[in-house]
Amino acid sequence: EAQVTQNPRYLITVTGKKLTVTCSQNMNHEYMSWYRQDPGLGLRQIYYSMNVEVTDKGDVPEGYKVSRKEKRNFPLILESPSPNQTSLYFCASSSGTSGYNEQFFGPGTRLTVL
Amino acid sequence: QKEVEQDPGPLSVPEGAIVSLNCTYSNSAFQYFMWYRQYSRKGPELLMYTYSSGNKEDGRFTAQVDKSSKYISLFIRDSQPSDSATYLCAMSARGSTLGRLYFGRGTQLTVWP
Repeated sequence: EAQVTQNPRYLITVTGKKLTVTCSQNMNHEYMSWYRQDPGLGLRQIYYSMNVEVTDKGDVPEGYKVSRKEKRNFPLILESPSPNQTSLYFCASSSGTSGYNEQFFGPGTRLTVL
Repeated sequence: QKEVEQDPGPLSVPEGAIVSLNCTYSNSAFQYFMWYRQYSRKGPELLMYTYSSGNKEDGRFTAQVDKSSKYISLFIRDSQPSDSATYLCAMSARGSTLGRLYFGRGTQLTVWP
C-alpha cells in the first residue's frame, strides 16, 4: 500500500530534550516536506527536500533540522525543543511531476513540549 | 498579507444542505487549485483539483475557480454527516519550486443529522 508513515504518533517531552520524528514514504517520491498545524494558523511548511541531500527552509524553520540521506526517509530533528513547538506535525511527499503537485500526507505526530 | 486566505469557520449545517467554501489569493501566478479534506486525527487528503479557471464536478462536489477575481470555491450538494471535516484550499504555480503548495488555514465543517 502506498503510504507515508510517521513515528511516533504521539510524544510528550520536556524542554531541551532532543528528539527525532521519523518519516518514510514508499512511493519513490522526489519531494518531501514537513508541516506543522496549529489552531487558527493552518498548515505551515517547516522544511522541504527536492531530492537526496537537497533540503531547504520553508516558512517556519527556526528550531528544526532535517536531513535527506535516503530518498524514502526525511526525519525531523528538534535539537532543543521548547513549549512553542507543541503542535501537530505532518510529513508529506510528492512526485513533483504532476503540475498540481499532489501531496500525500502522513497520519501526523502530536508533540507536546512541557 | 498571507498569499492564501480562507475563512476558518466553523461552519455547521444540517444534513442535505448546500455548503459553500471559499478562498481568495493574491499571487496571480497560481495555476493549480486544490481542495484537501482532513478528517479529525488524520492527515489531509486531496479531494479535487482544477487547472486554471472554470468548474469541475465530481459527484456531490463542485470546484470553481475565478482567476479574474482570485477566488476559488468548493460546493457540496446534499451534504452528509460523513462530510464533516476540515477543508483546506491549496494552490501552486506552474513551474514553481518542485512540490511547493500554498495552503489556506482550513474551514471546519460539521454536518449534523
